[in-house]
Amino acid sequence: DVKVTQSSRYLVKRTGEKVFLECVQDMDHENMFWYRQDPGLGLRLIYFSYDVKMKEKGDIPEGYSVSREKKERFSLILESASTNQTSMYLCASSDRDFDGYTFGSGTRLTVV
Amino acid sequence: SQKIEQNSEALNIQEGKTATLTCNYTNYSPAYLQWYRQDPGRGPVFLLLIRENEKEKRKERLKVTFDTTLKQSLFHITASQPADSATYLCALDLRGDTGRRALTFGSGTRLQVQP
Repeated sequence: DVKVTQSSRYLVKRTGEKVFLECVQDMDHENMFWYRQDPGLGLRLIYFSYDVKMKEKGDIPEGYSVSREKKERFSLILESASTNQTSMYLCASSDRDFDGYTFGSGTRLTVV
Repeated sequence: SQKIEQNSEALNIQEGKTATLTCNYTNYSPAYLQWYRQDPGRGPVFLLLIRENEKEKRKERLKVTFDTTLKQSLFHITASQPADSATYLCALDLRGDTGRRALTFGSGTRLQVQP
């Protein structure tokens, strides 16, 4: 069964901490994405990547960075966590044709 | 401003009826549109994709229509079951508008099917 695996389901971090959210896919997909989901706001795109070492900003990249050193792994980094980054973070991947994303189960991050 | 609207936050229907969910968009010309299902606390699951040159797509009890003139997609679940209760998201590929090949999502419609 093909999968996108996010390293943590729940995470609690303190304000100012550097936070790493890891995402691994086993489908040899070229494209990977990070979204955050908040009630009433839907999914908002943070960053995405078409290939190893490539990254593109989404709609809300401020306060985040990403890393894609290997094709199967796409990491989201919160440089200095703030309470307004408390959210559900969803990683997704797709093949080169972008037909149908496969999402991970999400990481619910709470920043206190 | 550009917008994706899904008809209502919640839709309640009786088991066996057809559920119809709406996705409207303004100021976009999407290359294609996708529908996803999301259960509480889980990531979305891909259901169907329909391209701009297709009017209708079916998969088992699901049917999607895409009207680029009305800028609207309708998502139908026939013979609905309580197990169909979930949030349904529409998502647009806006490569023609933004040059960006990443989906933009609506905020979803929560469907509740009563037994």
